Amino acid sequence: DTGVSQNPRHKITKRGQNVTFRCDPISEHNRLYWYRQTLGQGPEFLTYFQNEAQLEKSRLLSDRFSAERPKGSFSTLEIQRTEQGDSAMYLCASSLAGNGYTFGSGTRLTVV
Amino acid sequence: DQQVKQNSPSLSVQEGRISILNCDYTNSMFDYFLWYKKYPAEGPTFLISISSIKDKNEDGRFTVFLNKSAKHLSLHIVPSQPGDSAVYFCAAAKLYSSNTGKLIFGQGTTLQVKP
Repeated sequence: DTGVSQNPRHKITKRGQNVTFRCDPISEHNRLYWYRQTLGQGPEFLTYFQNEAQLEKSRLLSDRFSAERPKGSFSTLEIQRTEQGDSAMYLCASSLAGNGYTFGSGTRLTVV
Repeated sequence: DQQVKQNSPSLSVQEGRISILNCDYTNSMFDYFLWYKKYPAEGPTFLISISSIKDKNEDGRFTVFLNKSAKHLSLHIVPSQPGDSAVYFCAAAKLYSSNTGKLIFGQGTTLQVKP
């Protein structure tokens, strides 16, 4: 078990383009979370999956953002029509029914 | 609406001394608290946690204290080492009273331990 894996580590995109990030959680973890972190702030909750069901979305998650977790395994986070304000570190975390939250190394998005 | 606050953006201590990082919260429904350490360009790494039924939890050089009446928790690192230099985040969750257990983070405190 190699922990939570996120790809890519870095993404530079032009404003208006779509981007997709992937998260592979720890295999036995049923809960998966996406967070966003900007400079000088703590991670902010974006969305939560229990198995394949998306059970909560933050109001931070505008309609340009969509997340999926098909088959309750890996998850993807897509941002459509990226804006400069989307530049941030996107973090994925997984846990087993709330025990042992483990974070990935994150995807650093830069929108130019 | 900042439910978890770390009011000290930075802290500098001498190697071998105690580091005390503080965190305040406003939501009395939080029942689980965690501390994470973060290096640049990496994800947060779990350090130590405490549930609301306890007031202290210790793991090696790290001890977390919880004062529910004051809605305050602190992380003590003794003795501090230069490798402890990082950003420390406090986080809280409604683990036992909600379906999500999502973490709410403070803004972070940058700890510098000087040799």
